[in-house]
Amino acid sequence: QQPVQSPQAVILREGEDAVINCSSSKALYSVHWYRQKHGEAPVFLMILLKGGEQKGHEKISASFNEKKQQSSLYLTASQLSYSGTYFCGTEGGGSRLTFGEGTQLTVNP
Amino acid sequence: EAGVVQSPRYKIIEKKQPVAFWCNPISGHNTLYWYLQNLGQGPELLIRYENEEAVDDSQLPKDRFSAERLKGVDSTLKIQPAELGDSAVYLCASSLGQVHEQFFGPGTRLTVL
Repeated sequence: QQPVQSPQAVILREGEDAVINCSSSKALYSVHWYRQKHGEAPVFLMILLKGGEQKGHEKISASFNEKKQQSSLYLTASQLSYSGTYFCGTEGGGSRLTFGEGTQLTVNP
Repeated sequence: EAGVVQSPRYKIIEKKQPVAFWCNPISGHNTLYWYLQNLGQGPELLIRYENEEAVDDSQLPKDRFSAERLKGVDSTLKIQPAELGDSAVYLCASSLGQVHEQFFGPGTRLTVL
C-alpha cells in the first residue's frame, strides 16, 4: 500500500527549515528517502531501518517511528540546491519498496 | 565509478508497436529494478531481479510486458504491443541488495502515439 506524504508541496526561502512526513498503514521494516530534480533520476538520501539503524548522507536528518509507522525528513538551513521532489519509499520486510506520491520542495533566494 | 546506464533516453512509437529498453547496472550490483514513473507520481516497481532471477514480478503486466536479465548483468524490458497508457518514464535501478541504496539510471521517456 502506498505511503502518504505531507505536505504535497512547500515553498521556502533560502535558510529556512522544512519537515516532510511519510505515513504508512502497515508495519514497516524500512523507510527510504530520495530526491528527484525535474527531468533527472531519483537520488538516494537516507535509509532508516527498524531497530534504529540509519544509512545516509551526513547532512540529512530523518526519524522513523516504528510504532506509528511514520517517518519524517528534516531539511535545515535550506539551500537552493534542495529544490526538487522528495519521495519516501516504505518496505514491510522482504517485500517491495513502495513510493509515495512525493513532496515538491521549492527553495527561493 | 560509472552509474546505471539506460538506452534509449527517449522513444516515440505508435500504439501497437513493440519497444525495448536496455539497462546496464553498476558493476557488482546483484539487485536490479525496473520502475515505471508517471508524471507527478513516485516510481512504481515493475520487476526486481536478484542476479538473473526475477524475485518480484507481481506488478508486471505479463500480457504485454516481458523482461530478462541474462547472466545477471544487463537487463532488457520489452513492451509488445504498446498502448497509449504506457507513455511514461521507465527507470532502471541497481543496488547491492534490497535494503541498500538504489542507484537510478536517467530513465527512458516513452511516448506512445
